[in-house]
Amino acid sequence: QSVLTQPPSVSGAPGQRVTISCSGSGSNIGAGFDVHWYQQFPGTAPKLIIFVHNYRPSGVPDRFSGSKSGSSASLAITGLQAEDEADYYCQSYDSSLSSWVFGGGTKLTVL
Amino acid sequence: EVQLVQSGAEVKKSGESLNISCKTSGFRFTSYYIAWVRQLPGKGLEWMGIIFPGDSDTRYSPAFQGQITISADKAITTAYLQWKSLKASDSGIYYCARSDGSTYDYFDPWGQGTLVTVSS
Repeated sequence: QSVLTQPPSVSGAPGQRVTISCSGSGSNIGAGFDVHWYQQFPGTAPKLIIFVHNYRPSGVPDRFSGSKSGSSASLAITGLQAEDEADYYCQSYDSSLSSWVFGGGTKLTVL
Repeated sequence: EVQLVQSGAEVKKSGESLNISCKTSGFRFTSYYIAWVRQLPGKGLEWMGIIFPGDSDTRYSPAFQGQITISADKAITTAYLQWKSLKASDSGIYYCARSDGSTYDYFDPWGQGTLVTVSS
């Protein structure tokens, strides 16, 4: 059971917009800790795609964006492409656990 | 270029010890933290612990405290993850990643991962 809750899967057709939610609590996202997002393709290491809620590292397309509200955060992907099919993880810090924490991950399928 | 290069895949038996490494380059090793993250087969990411090579300050996830040891060698800019007695349930992929250590921080970049297989 992950501290941050994500839907196990989402899907969308090419060109569409999808969102992936990340629900936390008052000891992590709700306490003001930053939320970051990672993309992971099968057999490869995770890659940072959004940091501090909505900043993109160099090279990440602007089709990816993040937001945060209260104890939750979201990753949005617009203009969905086949190459976006991957697993996505949110990450924050939890003060009750004194630990960095990840969401359980969401598998994005491009139909 | 910042790089984290991990040691190769390991096949061990239950009860054996293991030390895997994360060789870093391209940044000041003693100014950043190195974290270790576990991924069990078909599962998500779990933060295990983190070390600041500058003073060896180390923090562990409660889930892994007492089960692992994280260390670093400043002379060769390498971090390590160690088990004294492996269990079959330790089988998975282990990643190292750089962080500035702040509770607000993220992990970037990541090593390529080390696959650990433990037979019972």
